[in-house]
Amino acid sequence: QVTLRESGPALVKPTQTLTLTCTFSGFSLTTGGMCVSWVRQPPGKALEWLALIAWDDNKYYSTSLKTSLTISKDTSKNQVVLTMTNMDPVDTATYYCARSRGIVGGIRSYYGMDVWGQGTTVTVSS
Amino acid sequence: EIVMTQSPATLSVSPGERATLSCRASQSVSRNLAWYQQKPGQAPRLLIYAASTRATDIPARFSGSVSGTDFILTISSLQSEDFALYYCQQYNNWPYSFGQGTKLEIK
Repeated sequence: QVTLRESGPALVKPTQTLTLTCTFSGFSLTTGGMCVSWVRQPPGKALEWLALIAWDDNKYYSTSLKTSLTISKDTSKNQVVLTMTNMDPVDTATYYCARSRGIVGGIRSYYGMDVWGQGTTVTVSS
Repeated sequence: EIVMTQSPATLSVSPGERATLSCRASQSVSRNLAWYQQKPGQAPRLLIYAASTRATDIPARFSGSVSGTDFILTISSLQSEDFALYYCQQYNNWPYSFGQGTKLEIK
C-alpha cells in the first residue's frame, strides 16, 4: 500500500523559511519512473503545482516560485523535502505531496498523480 | 506556460443525469492530461490520466475524451457522491498546471 504524509510547521512568520517533509511508503524513489510533487491550495482557491523531483534526481519548479523553492530527496529515509524561502501571507495554504509514475525516457507523470498525502495546513502570519 | 481553462465554473445537474465538464489548454499538451476530484476537506483523487484512461478503482461512469486542445470529463449518471470539485491538469510541459476547477453541484 502506497502512502504519503506531509509534516511541517502549522504557523510561520513572514520572511521566514518553510521546510516541509513528505514521508512515504510502499514505493521507492530509486525505482525508474517514480516522482514526487508538491502541490498547494490556498483557502477556497485552486490547486497550484509547485515542484517535482524524479527518481533520477531531476528537479522541476513552478516558474513564478522557482527562486524561492528547493526540492530534495533522501532515499534512505523515503522522504522528500520542500523548502520555501521568504514566506508571505499569500503563501497560506494546504500543502500536499503526491506520487506520480512516469515512463523512463518519456513523460514524467504519464500515469498522473495517483496517490496523495492528506495535506498540511500552513498559515503565514506575524 | 500552459494555461488550463475549465468551464463552466459551476455546473448544476440532477442526480441520475449526465454531467459534461470542459478543460481547454492554451497550447497542445498531446494527451498528457489528468482529471482529479476533490471533496471538501480531502485531498484530490485521480480519476483519469492520459486524457481517457480511468485510474484504479474509478467507476466506469467516469470517462474522458479529447479533441485537439479541448478535453472533456463526462459523468454518465450522477451519483450523490459525485458532487464535488473537479480539476484538470496538464503534465506535458514544465511547469505543470491545473485548471481553476469546476464545482459540480446538485440541481
